[in-house]
Amino acid sequence: GQQLNQSPQSMFIQEGEDVSMNCTSSSIFNTWLWYKQDPGEGPVLLIALYKAGELTSNGRLTAQFGITRKDSFLNISASIPSDVGIYFCAGQDSGYALNFGKGTSLLVTP
Amino acid sequence: EPEVTQTPSHQVTQMGQEVILRCVPISNHLYFYWYRQILGQKVEFLVSFYNNEISEKSEIFDDQFSVERPDGSNFTLKIRSTKLEDSAMYFCATQGFGVYEQYFGPGTRLTVT
Repeated sequence: GQQLNQSPQSMFIQEGEDVSMNCTSSSIFNTWLWYKQDPGEGPVLLIALYKAGELTSNGRLTAQFGITRKDSFLNISASIPSDVGIYFCAGQDSGYALNFGKGTSLLVTP
Repeated sequence: EPEVTQTPSHQVTQMGQEVILRCVPISNHLYFYWYRQILGQKVEFLVSFYNNEISEKSEIFDDQFSVERPDGSNFTLKIRSTKLEDSAMYFCATQGFGVYEQYFGPGTRLTVT
């Protein structure tokens, strides 16, 4: 599958701070999905994006599908301790198979 | 809220043995997937299954692997002769018709010794 570059690799922030992470690809994707994974569990879908330029929110989470269709970002506002986990971007190109990024590990201190 | 379920949660097996991992998809979903995640690494696509046949597969999904939906309910992944490098978390994911969101199960941790 296509290589996705996800950054940053890890973040260590204080409760209440805003967080931003992004994914870039060398090729175009038709769909971007963002997932959160807690240790030992399956990825949980946070936000799905379908159109270039689309900006979608889910509570304190906001994600955007880049205009070039080669990137996406996820923002978390006013972080809380339960935001701790690994966040993965995933893209779909011609088929339905998801290509995952390597993840951003988020740690939040009270 | 409907969920994808997987059994067993943890499977330990000896190298060369066959294992079958099971998934119960969300009831009205039509597309089924298997992914794997080696410890500390990203999630990797193995295979997708629609209308009782494989629609896509990755290079990882070689002749040692097979999938089926034997009873219209369970969706299974079989590894014929396990290798040490098959040790990983295996996730089932399902998707409804006309949408792109994939919902993941809690995973099966496979340990090959």
